[in-house]
Amino acid sequence: QKEVEQDPGPLSVPEGAIVSLNCTYSNSAFQYFMWYRQYSRKGPELLMYTYSSGNKEDGRFTAQVDKSSKYISLFIRDSQPSDSATYLCAMSAGYGGSQGNLIFGKGTKLSVKP
Amino acid sequence: GAVVSQHPSWVICKSGTSVKIECRSLDFQATTMFWYRQFPKQSLMLMATSNEGSKATYEQGVEKDKFLINHASLTLSTLTVTSAHPEDSSFYICSIGPGNQPQHFGDGTRLSIL
Repeated sequence: QKEVEQDPGPLSVPEGAIVSLNCTYSNSAFQYFMWYRQYSRKGPELLMYTYSSGNKEDGRFTAQVDKSSKYISLFIRDSQPSDSATYLCAMSAGYGGSQGNLIFGKGTKLSVKP
Repeated sequence: GAVVSQHPSWVICKSGTSVKIECRSLDFQATTMFWYRQFPKQSLMLMATSNEGSKATYEQGVEKDKFLINHASLTLSTLTVTSAHPEDSSFYICSIGPGNQPQHFGDGTRLSIL
């Protein structure tokens, strides 16, 4: 079993839809959870960052962490064509994620159609 | 967030040549930088941790004599792929982890070995 599992998609939705992206993991030591957005041929861009269980909201984005189920989610409300990208979940046991042991999912490719 | 600049963005070269990739931290003095590799439709995989003024720490399975890392200053780390072969073709990305913040990534270098 891989440490982090993420459905690669592709996921295609109409503009304005609510998007749900998910990752599961197996290592109970993970405490820091991140979502990155990666456009084609670009580096990952940090979207959301949470510590331990709970929810965090930033504009149209909401991140949820359920440590008991080892399951994290990213919700995108009112999706826009500019949200079309690959979304990577990442997690770490190290403090603040600044440690090198950042484990990534494979990424989910999202396409938002006008 | 921290700004990371990576150069070149794309390089094509013949098999057997060596290629140097630069990673610069533009607004943060980074004692540690990270080098990742990403194959198509795969996760980002940590290759090595670059430490300013000392030897890099390599992940299991990464050849330190093939992937030379130099971190001579607090703002610059370089990765040299020596005697590159087609199987080394990949997307190489560096990152920094400023303080207790999550890692911030450069825009990556697409390496194509003919």
